[in-house]
Amino acid sequence: QAGLTQPPSMSKGLRQTATLTCTGNVNNVGNQGAAWLQQHQGHPPKLLSYRNNNRPSGISERFSTSRSGNIASLTITGLQPEDEADYYCLARDSSLSVWVFGGGTKLTVL
Amino acid sequence: EVHLVESGGVVVQPGGSLRLSCTASEFSFDDYTMHWVRQAPGKGLEWVSLIGWDAFTTDYADSVKGRFTISRDNSRRSLYLQMNSLRAEDTALYYCSADFQHWGPGTLVIVSS
Repeated sequence: QAGLTQPPSMSKGLRQTATLTCTGNVNNVGNQGAAWLQQHQGHPPKLLSYRNNNRPSGISERFSTSRSGNIASLTITGLQPEDEADYYCLARDSSLSVWVFGGGTKLTVL
Repeated sequence: EVHLVESGGVVVQPGGSLRLSCTASEFSFDDYTMHWVRQAPGKGLEWVSLIGWDAFTTDYADSVKGRFTISRDNSRRSLYLQMNSLRAEDTALYYCSADFQHWGPGTLVIVSS
């Protein structure tokens, strides 16, 4: 099945800005965009952004998303220690009628 | 506050069957498309299956198609996953999710002899 590609890891300093990417194809990210989820160790995932780039209630404005063609991006500004987590993108593949996750990016805040 | 709670995870032998349940409270269960998502130990998230609000639409990942069946009972605010012909690679923490907005804590399935 078609997958989404994310860099496996990223390290950034406190109060810096991190931009995570998710590369798909015309049938998934390029079609309807990607949602983004955050997962802390030992906890279920948490939705950060819908595919239309809107944030659910309660999600900090420090998290923003965008898309350019088949690449979706999550930008986290003013990094805090609690932002250290795994981040996953998620998209619907319209040709295969399945949902696909990226492999996840482990973000370390130094 | 929305609550989703999964149950039914156990240790099962390869080739065996298992039925997972997910019970919802404090939200309009029948407004949501429901999903099962799994996570193997130390690995990433894998989407497994979805069922539409009226149970008319179902989809499955290739890795489980023909072996797993998703269902729901809106009157009981419950979601189910019937898992047959289980394999070692089905070992994972299984989450139920309402439109990826709300998640349960997960239930652990271990397939091992």
